[in-house]
Amino acid sequence: GAVVSQHPSWVICKSGTSVKIECRSLDFQATTMFWYRQFPKQSLMLMATSNEGSKATYEQGVEKDKFLINHASLTLSTLTVTSAHPEDSSFYICSATPRQGVFFGSGTQLSVL
Amino acid sequence: DAKTTQPTSMDCAEGRAANLPCNHSTISGNEYVYWYRQIHSQGPQYIIHGLKNNETNEMASLIITEDRKSSTLILPHATLRDTAVYYCIVRPDSSGKLIFGQGTELSVKP
Repeated sequence: GAVVSQHPSWVICKSGTSVKIECRSLDFQATTMFWYRQFPKQSLMLMATSNEGSKATYEQGVEKDKFLINHASLTLSTLTVTSAHPEDSSFYICSATPRQGVFFGSGTQLSVL
Repeated sequence: DAKTTQPTSMDCAEGRAANLPCNHSTISGNEYVYWYRQIHSQGPQYIIHGLKNNETNEMASLIITEDRKSSTLILPHATLRDTAVYYCIVRPDSSGKLIFGQGTELSVKP
């Protein structure tokens, strides 16, 4: 199946710093990618839709200034958690859609100290 | 997107068939039923999907009722590595946006 690569797999940062997470479609072009967040023992929550060449669409309750999304090319979307705080610690996952199906990255575990 | 309802958890003996039910009574005519699973601390993995007909692949079988209001995912010979959270999702095939419910936590026991 199609491959979606996410990097880094895990990151630890100090409170107040910014963290960038990359999501790449390796063998297909993706005009749209999706970002999810998952807290322990909970389901995935859709945060935003990343659109190549235009602004991301955020779900209700997700702060767009806190979670900056850039989709500058057809194979790369980035999520930047700005001024991270301990409550932003979570598992972040991206997905992308080739012609058929939806494929997910392996996720990024963010721990903010 | 239509809402789905799944049991919170299920147990299955290793080597036996695991049957995971899903209710999607408000499914629309253009919405497919998708199944994904998530092993701890990994991204969700695609299993199978269908519209009206039953489907089978190397991982599982999907049985959809005639009225499409429910479906069952069947893992024919469950192994310990099938222990995961299984998500049933309905969506139009053209949309990459997936709304996850709580899923079923399947525990396969020796």
